Amino acid sequence: SQKIEQNSEALNIQEGKTATLTCNYTNYSPAYLQWYRQDPGRGPVFLLLIRENEKEKRKERLKVTFDTTLKQSLFHITASQPADSATYLCALARGYQKVTFGIGTKLQVIP
Amino acid sequence: GAGVSQSPSNKVTEKGKDVELRCDPISGHTALYWYRQSLGQGLEFLIYFQGNSAPDKSGLPSDRFSAERTGGSVSTLTIQRTQQEDSAVYLCASSLVGTSGSDTQYFGPGTRLTVL
Repeated sequence: SQKIEQNSEALNIQEGKTATLTCNYTNYSPAYLQWYRQDPGRGPVFLLLIRENEKEKRKERLKVTFDTTLKQSLFHITASQPADSATYLCALARGYQKVTFGIGTKLQVIP
Repeated sequence: GAGVSQSPSNKVTEKGKDVELRCDPISGHTALYWYRQSLGQGLEFLIYFQGNSAPDKSGLPSDRFSAERTGGSVSTLTIQRTQQEDSAVYLCASSLVGTSGSDTQYFGPGTRLTVL
């Protein structure tokens, strides 16, 4: 079965810097990779989706890359703000299949 | 528009009691998912409903857990004879189609279950 690895340790960065979160997977390459944000006491909220034939996807200050050779996705937040502090989850799926979520990485942006 | 709603938001119960958790998905969404999230842990898949297909129950941890989805809309997750290890936040999500990994899941706020 698919195994997803996200850095379970919190990532602390200074406001204004670029935050980079990593999602590694084993086994097969997913057709789709999604990133979600989860705030304490709330359900996850969808941010971005990238397909296996796409190398990069951008949305405002967010950028996601997908390297099927390395079996890795990187999630970048540029010009980070304290409001970006949250837990970020990556999720994988291949075609007609339920989505598998990673454990998430907690990001803390320090003013 | 209305998102996914769940009730109750908090539930405290005694060990051995049965509990029912409710999920109202977004209208028109054919797929519905239940997850469990323990403190500091990731999302644990429990069960998945898609249209009129037989549900995927592969994530249910024991036969004390069951779920149904009536009329393709509201879903109820039932935990019988609750145990302390059942304490967690139970999250429900719905998606438009459910048969594609590109489908975005919309989550409810969750029900925090505490078993004393």
